[in-house]
Amino acid sequence: DAGVIQSPRHEVTEMGQEVTLRCKPISGHDYLFWYRQTMMRGLELLIYFNNNVPIDDSGMPEDRFSAKMPNASFSTLKIQPSEPRDSAVYFCASSQDRGGTGELFFGEGSRLTVL
Amino acid sequence: GQNIDQPTEMTATEGAIVQINCTYQTSGFNGLFWYQQHAGEAPTFLSYNVLDGLEEKGRFSSFLSRSKGYSYLLLKELQMKDSASYLCAVSRGTGGSYIPTFGRGTSLIVHP
Repeated sequence: DAGVIQSPRHEVTEMGQEVTLRCKPISGHDYLFWYRQTMMRGLELLIYFNNNVPIDDSGMPEDRFSAKMPNASFSTLKIQPSEPRDSAVYFCASSQDRGGTGELFFGEGSRLTVL
Repeated sequence: GQNIDQPTEMTATEGAIVQINCTYQTSGFNGLFWYQQHAGEAPTFLSYNVLDGLEEKGRFSSFLSRSKGYSYLLLKELQMKDSASYLCAVSRGTGGSYIPTFGRGTSLIVHP
């Protein structure tokens, strides 16, 4: 089975531009998470969905950040406008509800650089 | 809120044993994960402890004490490929959901 698929793997953009990151979770997983990883803050939870519904977005840093999950196989994280401090690796992860451990399966990440 | 503490960096010698500690304070504690993350890669699952005690899986073992808010990951017979960041993550149960929150990670350097 394919794992969690993220795109793009790398993105370099200029301050003020819109950035859209994409994620395809593992089929059958009910939960989807967006994390951001930086050296300073480590791995931070931004938002998570359960059955395509956003449950907790308290980790989203500002109104510039938004996330959607229009169906069970696709989610986007959008930053508009982007700023240099948004530079980080953004991970998408999925897991099964009541799957025993609730183990997260991570995508390869999207490395964002905002100049 | 939650507070998860683990050492920033550790070094060890190939073939040796190393113990990486993690302490936490959280409400609604359900279990504790350990993940391994090599540089430039995604985190991958190592272990999950719900009950107190030691769980062994090959060269890796993980221990949990719920009353003390303490866990450790034990790596035996260290190999160079074990050089990576080790992330402790606390899983909180809320309405049947399991939501992991990660510590900053411990960077382990294994040298010959």
